[in-house]
Amino acid sequence: DVKVTQSSRYLVKRTGEKVFLECVQDMDHENMFWYRQDPGLGLRLIYFSYDVKMKEKGDIPEGYSVSREKKERFSLILESASTNQTSMYLCASTAFGTGHLYGYTFGSGTRLTVV
Amino acid sequence: DQQVKQNSPSLSVQEGRISILNCDYTNSMFDYFLWYKKYPAEGPTFLISISSIKDKNEDGRFTVFLNKSAKHLSLHIVPSQPGDSAVYFCAASEVRGSQGNLIFGKGTKLSVKP
Repeated sequence: DVKVTQSSRYLVKRTGEKVFLECVQDMDHENMFWYRQDPGLGLRLIYFSYDVKMKEKGDIPEGYSVSREKKERFSLILESASTNQTSMYLCASTAFGTGHLYGYTFGSGTRLTVV
Repeated sequence: DQQVKQNSPSLSVQEGRISILNCDYTNSMFDYFLWYKKYPAEGPTFLISISSIKDKNEDGRFTVFLNKSAKHLSLHIVPSQPGDSAVYFCAASEVRGSQGNLIFGKGTKLSVKP
């Protein structure tokens, strides 16, 4: 089974801190994604990547950046955390060109609270 | 502008009855549709999908129906069980001419009462 692992289940950070959310997948998938889930707003795409060193903005990239130095790892960075970034963050991956057939595999999520 | 809409934020159903979750879309170029299920504090899990060339796909208690002319799909769960209580997300993908990224609806929270 494909496994997508997010390094932390729960995080509490202070306003203004730089925050790193890490995601690792073990199935050699090309495509990786970062979403946030908020009540009433569903899943919103922050950034995605189709290959190492490549990144594309999603629907809500403001306040975030990403890094993909290795194929298996996709990091989400909050440059200066703010309270409106308190959310559930979800990482996902899929093999290139198969997301519509088999769906994405999601990690368990990181619940981030910014105080 | 939302391309995938789930207009019911919540649905409550009695155990053993049918649950029907609805989803509408606006982009006629979508050619694959998927349903995901999400429990609290867990990531979404893929449930079932349907290609636009079909109008029905069935997997055990779960059936997805697609009405292309109405740009509408629905997920039927029969019989509903308390363990089905979760948030269900509808997603759509346009494969031709694009990377085929999934576009998600806002989700419907299903509660199945014993």
